[in-house]
Amino acid sequence: DAGVTQSPTHLIKTRGQQVTLRCSPKSGHDTVSWYQQALGQGPQFIFQYYEEEERQRGNFPDRFSGHQFPNYSSELNVNALLLGDSALYLCASSFGGWGNTEAFFGQGTRLTVV
Amino acid sequence: KQEVTQIPAALSVPEGENLVLNCSFTDSAIYNLQWFRQDPGKGLTSLLLIQSSQREQTSGRLNASLDKSSGRSTLYIAASQPGDSATYLCAVRGNDYKLSFGAGTTVTVRA
Repeated sequence: DAGVTQSPTHLIKTRGQQVTLRCSPKSGHDTVSWYQQALGQGPQFIFQYYEEEERQRGNFPDRFSGHQFPNYSSELNVNALLLGDSALYLCASSFGGWGNTEAFFGQGTRLTVV
Repeated sequence: KQEVTQIPAALSVPEGENLVLNCSFTDSAIYNLQWFRQDPGKGLTSLLLIQSSQREQTSGRLNASLDKSSGRSTLYIAASQPGDSATYLCAVRGNDYKLSFGAGTTVTVRA
């Protein structure tokens, strides 16, 4: 079992550009959530996808968007990058539509905006 | 809005000492609580999951307790080793599907 995989591992982008991050969930999982973790802080919830729909969204601007594919993999897109978007982006997968299941995280994508 | 607090922010102990990490949360309406380990620059590794109906969960040298009514959880790590050095994060899942995290406790175990 490969677990949750994210790509790329590291990324450097220029302010104003757009970026796409990718996530493949753990085998058997159908729910994907994205989190942003700034240095020295806990992860902050961006949004969650279940059955290819955005089910819940955190306090992030519309520049952050996502998508879930029929195979449950997911993409996170960020437009008009700001320096403050520099962070570790984490993908988590779990099974089912309810909250009592365990979340598994990928290794993250380190995004640096210059 | 769920607020999760972890105290202390950092902890340094000699090898062999037991570790006690604290987590508190403001809204007791939770589905479960998870403890994670994070090594520098890496992702999160799930250590223990405690459902809201449970009082504690154990895995090897790790034991986590949950007192939902008082909004507290404690992670105990017995006989610490240098390999236990990492940041430990507590997260609660409420009825809004998302995990709310504390800022973590950074542990250093000195050989």
